[in-house]
Amino acid sequence: GAGVSQSPSNKVTEKGKDVELRCDPISGHTALYWYRQSLGQGLEFLIYFQGNSAPDKSGLPSDRFSAERTGGSVSTLTIQRTQQEDSAVYLCASSPAAGRFNEKLFFGSGTQLSVL
Amino acid sequence: ELKVEQNPLFLSMQEGKNYTIYCNYSTTSDRLYWYRQDPGKSLESLFVLLSNGAVKQEGRLMASLDTKARLSTLHITAAVHDLSATYFCAVPNAGGTSYGKLTFGQGTILTVHP
Repeated sequence: GAGVSQSPSNKVTEKGKDVELRCDPISGHTALYWYRQSLGQGLEFLIYFQGNSAPDKSGLPSDRFSAERTGGSVSTLTIQRTQQEDSAVYLCASSPAAGRFNEKLFFGSGTQLSVL
Repeated sequence: ELKVEQNPLFLSMQEGKNYTIYCNYSTTSDRLYWYRQDPGKSLESLFVLLSNGAVKQEGRLMASLDTKARLSTLHITAAVHDLSATYFCAVPNAGGTSYGKLTFGQGTILTVHP
């Protein structure tokens, strides 16, 4: 597609439920990132994919959070047993490469997650 | 641990005036990014600064990088209302597996008024 696409754009869920957030990166981009943006913590790195592998998961807040990427393209971020502190905007970004010549990230519009 | 700090966090400017946003970071990095975010929207890349002394300009915005001082500036010239947004600087984590693993500053909320 023309840009990074995320769905849903908004998600309201009850505490304790599981949610899945989807990211469709720019075609051909091998690197994919998930970030979280919240009022209290600002913008935080969650996880990075190179192809289908995740060399860096260091930003995932707890074992309730997991992510996968298939076919070197679409990625899904899953949050199990959601808590109110999970409420945030989840942003996906992609780039053509992850190495030294990576110049910038292209961000999607995000998923606004609200846990009631 | 890498820390990135922006100053000021809130900036109210009159149209036509000049101002500078500062971004300090705590560990060595040879590059720095500036992003813009409009309310309810995602982040848009403004500048990629890849070396010490790098200076880039786009319209009324100019960004520079001093890697020795661990400082970047975003200078606004003759501000117009369309520049109202939140501006973030970001630095790659040293030793990270990817240059896309960024630590962001807190953001500077810029409001330009008549």
